Amino acid sequence: DTEVTQTPKHLVMGMTNKKSLKCEQHMGHRAMYWYKQKAKKPPELMFVYSYEKLSINESVPSRFSPECPNSSLLNLHLHALQPEDSALYLCASSLGQGAEGEKLFFGSGTQLSVL
Amino acid sequence: SQKIEQNSEALNIQEGKTATLTCNYTNYSPAYLQWYRQDPGRGPVFLLLIRENEKEKRKERLKVTFDTTLKQSLFHITASQPADSATYLCALVPYRGSTLGRLYFGRGTQLTVWP
Repeated sequence: DTEVTQTPKHLVMGMTNKKSLKCEQHMGHRAMYWYKQKAKKPPELMFVYSYEKLSINESVPSRFSPECPNSSLLNLHLHALQPEDSALYLCASSLGQGAEGEKLFFGSGTQLSVL
Repeated sequence: SQKIEQNSEALNIQEGKTATLTCNYTNYSPAYLQWYRQDPGRGPVFLLLIRENEKEKRKERLKVTFDTTLKQSLFHITASQPADSATYLCALVPYRGSTLGRLYFGRGTQLTVWP
């Protein structure tokens, strides 16, 4: 299994809602990532988990809360989002052995619309 | 400022020709550079990695070069096909020894191959 699976594929939420994005991989990867991508822009790194511990937070607002329950799962909890948070949210994983040049395996993303 | 530039937002070529995409960077010293393909509404897919001590890397119809003096990578697709139409992203970890996962992406070049 060489896939990263993200659910849901599409999500529409109001500014007062609480929702969660889910990501799963069964490749034995130990590093998992959340990226945010707006139309015609590059993916922007949000969070990195390495061996189930948060290792990078790129100064993301607290209305985004990541969680890594185990080495195969990664969640992104959303609360009180703004319309400008509408974007494609991508999950990725890599071996996590610390070797330079590790390639990322991306999921298909969750297209989020905040009304 | 630090940035990654892919100099063409869009490139249109005829089937059978060679597509050449450019990635330039400033104020970084990457040990390697990666190229990804992204289709609309999907996550990026890893294509090739080239290290700073490698001048050229090939994989089937793909070729990547890396010139650390010019701070530039070129990505070539030979004998292009309509199925090659996609957005191509270059990505790098900005400095040798950078924390695992801090991979930065360029904006991408949207390639269209017409019959």
